[in-house]
Amino acid sequence: GEDVEQSLFLSVREGDSSVINCTYTDSSSTYLYWYKQEPGAGLQLLTYIFSNMDMKQDQRLTVLLNKKDKHLSLRIADTQTGDSAIYFCAESEGNTPLVFGKGTRLSVIA
Amino acid sequence: EPEVTQTPSHQVTQMGQEVILRCVPISNHLYFYWYRQILGQKVEFLVSFYNNEISEKSEIFDDQFSVERPDGSNFTLKIRSTKLEDSAMYFCASTRARGETQYFGPGTRLLVL
Repeated sequence: GEDVEQSLFLSVREGDSSVINCTYTDSSSTYLYWYKQEPGAGLQLLTYIFSNMDMKQDQRLTVLLNKKDKHLSLRIADTQTGDSAIYFCAESEGNTPLVFGKGTRLSVIA
Repeated sequence: EPEVTQTPSHQVTQMGQEVILRCVPISNHLYFYWYRQILGQKVEFLVSFYNNEISEKSEIFDDQFSVERPDGSNFTLKIRSTKLEDSAMYFCASTRARGETQYFGPGTRLLVL
């Protein structure tokens, strides 16, 4: 079945850029998502990208998609302590349920 | 901004008891979903619901689970006889049309003792 893999931990200094990586196996993936989960909270949709795009930028967030390698990344510029959370990569074929990765825990050191 | 809401935020129950988790999807959304996240693990799909019937379900969604849209606003997940391994965070999600972005609620943390 489909699988989504992410590294489990990332630690960065405040003000630096964070890059969270994700790989997926489903070549039919149409939508790729990044969700943020703060401690004890729900899943907040951060951004998403269609599979026919290479890049999407939204303020401090940049999503890069390498469809050939099935690799997705989320770059957070000027990382702040408030960015500390778990970031989930997820994919969907469009009309299928989301398949999530295990999440990357981002720790921002002041 | 409209959002998905869920109640209760936390529920503790004894093994074997029935629980009902409630969700109010975004008002003009037509597709509804339940996912769960066991502590430290991936978020997993349980079931999707459209037009008053289940459109897709995973292997996890066995006969112990059921979903219902009892009125025009609520969407519920019932677990008939809870087991210890049902302890998890349960997320409801909704979307306006098939294939569109799913918006998640804050989750209900269920603890089965």
